[in-house]
Amino acid sequence: KAGVTQTPRYLIKTRGQQVTLSCSPISGHRSVSWYQQTPGQGLQFLFEYFSETQRNKGNFPGRFSGRQFSNSRSEMNVSTLELGDSALYLCASSPNSREGYGYTFGSGTRLTVV
Amino acid sequence: AQSVSQHNHHVILSEAASLELGCNYSYGGTVNLFWYVQYPGQHLQLLLKYFSGDPLVKGIKGFEAEFIKSKFSFNLRKPSVQWSDTAEYFCAVNAPSGGSYIPTFGRGTSLIVHP
Repeated sequence: KAGVTQTPRYLIKTRGQQVTLSCSPISGHRSVSWYQQTPGQGLQFLFEYFSETQRNKGNFPGRFSGRQFSNSRSEMNVSTLELGDSALYLCASSPNSREGYGYTFGSGTRLTVV
Repeated sequence: AQSVSQHNHHVILSEAASLELGCNYSYGGTVNLFWYVQYPGQHLQLLLKYFSGDPLVKGIKGFEAEFIKSKFSFNLRKPSVQWSDTAEYFCAVNAPSGGSYIPTFGRGTSLIVHP
């Protein structure tokens, strides 16, 4: 079956702009989580969505937001981009994170802010 | 909040050497434990996981990990590494948070295996 698909793979944006990243989970997976990966900080949790509801949120500023659609696809938005937002953004899906399943990760979107 | 510590940030080994990567977590309740691997240019993949039962867990590619509850540890081992094991390894702990289980990841260990 198809894996977790993230689009686009690469993005270059200018400071102050906004960006939207997309994630299509594995079919049947209802939980989608987003992580920011940087060399210095590792993987940091952004937020988790389940059945179109944000169930958990990490310690990121309000410029980072997301949503999930009825087909479980999810989008993440970052407004007023800063240089420090340059990172690999990973989406991960699981059947239902209440059960403590392991995640299946996408390949990520590499965001560069200049 | 839980945290995960991976003691070795960079490990360099020769092929056929034995590997042990340390992972400690700070959460006193029931946890699910994972090791993920990220090969160069590839996405994160699940290597093995522990939910309950036998604390010695076997994963793909000859990897295993042992859960020692008293030490809050979940160390990854492989008796004989290969050049193809060169990758970044992440330990993760799922603990209850806000009604679901959110993985907290360690900073990762970069493993380089010389042929």
